[in-house]
Amino acid sequence: QLQLQESGPGLVKPSETLSLTCTVSGGSISSSSYYWGWIRQPPGKGLEWIGTIYYSGSTFYSPSLKSRVTISVDTSKSQFSLKLSSVTAADTAVYYCARYCYGSWQYYFDYWGQGTLVTVSS
Amino acid sequence: EIVLTQSPGTLSLSPGERATLSCRASQSVTSSYLAWYQQKPGQAPRLLIYGASSRATGIPDRFSGSGSGTDFTLTISRLEPEDFAVYYCQQYGSSPPWTFGQGTKVESK
Repeated sequence: QLQLQESGPGLVKPSETLSLTCTVSGGSISSSSYYWGWIRQPPGKGLEWIGTIYYSGSTFYSPSLKSRVTISVDTSKSQFSLKLSSVTAADTAVYYCARYCYGSWQYYFDYWGQGTLVTVSS
Repeated sequence: EIVLTQSPGTLSLSPGERATLSCRASQSVTSSYLAWYQQKPGQAPRLLIYGASSRATGIPDRFSGSGSGTDFTLTISRLEPEDFAVYYCQQYGSSPPWTFGQGTKVESK
């Protein structure tokens, strides 16, 4: 059974960089059939797609966050990571990592991490 | 940029009733790329429907999806107590590559 687990600091100071890692277990991060994504959810609000990465390193970012986001992958560790710079209180959210199935008429996020709350506060 | 608008924002229904949730796209969306998710408090979203109308593994047949182009619908034929949750549509394909609707909350009347 595939599992994804987010890890990283739960508290980040304003103007600093938020860094999270998602560890994938029970399956290969290097499969050509999947993308790996970050999605966030501010308290009491809806889901916001942040960005997605392919195992080869190709990335796609939300236009609204593109200037502050970097997503990378380390296939040797079965991990992909998120960095969000110059954070403000508006970046306080539960951050999810998820797998996106791509191809063969199947296009969807099927496996999600449990989510990790990151609070931006001094 | 494709924007997904879900309506209504909140749906107040009783168990056993039918729920009809709408997801409208600002531009045409390929049906294959349209999915629906259910999210309960404190939980990650769960895939319900993909390809606009295909149920994911283990999803009861009271959930159904339909639509094409810019108008998509999620229907819950008879609400069970565990169906009260927030539902999101999501598309893949056009700039930006991935977007979510703002969600519809189905609450118990």
